[in-house]
Amino acid sequence: ETGVTQTPRHLVMGMTNKKSLKCEQHLGHNAMYWYKQSAKKPLELMFVYSLEERVENNSVPSRFSPECPNSSHLFLHLHTLQPEDSALYLCASSQDSVSNEQFFGPGTRLTVL
Amino acid sequence: GQSLEQPSEVTAVEGAIVQINCTYQTSGFYGLSWYQQHDGGAPTFLSYNALDGLEETGRFSSFLSRSDSYGYLLLQELQMKDSASYFCAVLRDITAGTASKLTFGTGTRLQVTL
Repeated sequence: ETGVTQTPRHLVMGMTNKKSLKCEQHLGHNAMYWYKQSAKKPLELMFVYSLEERVENNSVPSRFSPECPNSSHLFLHLHTLQPEDSALYLCASSQDSVSNEQFFGPGTRLTVL
Repeated sequence: GQSLEQPSEVTAVEGAIVQINCTYQTSGFYGLSWYQQHDGGAPTFLSYNALDGLEETGRFSSFLSRSDSYGYLLLQELQMKDSASYFCAVLRDITAGTASKLTFGTGTRLQVTL
């Protein structure tokens, strides 16, 4: 247990569905991150939040919409996804936005049909 | 742009020593991190080097040469449970000192055999 939880662990959705991924950290950290991990590819940073403000949007398509209502919670809202968006979506947190150690959640395995 | 290179696969025998190399190209470099990820699991932090030299943590050591843009992870007394993917990741500045980001390599899959 890293102190970062994600729900759901698995999600199957159609291209017209709308769903949300949830991440919660119990570590008192001030920075949170969304990553995408596809087979045979490096982890790709999607979004960075520091003190609930977005500080990085790594050229992510608008069909992915993050939300950070407070420093403990992070959401990723999904709509009109494509099959190539199927991947493992990992949430991470760190003490602050310049920390070298990030704590990862177990991920949500997303399949888009 | 940014790039990291590490071998895709390494196989070693239980009890042996293995070194996983990582070369990188980036701007705004802060340091080099290493993460371990077992199949179906989350990446977990192993080590971080901001300065040149060797950092030792138990059976694992990590090395950095900033002038060569090169680092490695050294695993000693290998155990079967060390079979996993190992990622090097560059920590770099993205907002002139107020935020940073990790850029990951593609990972090295280590298989420890009997």
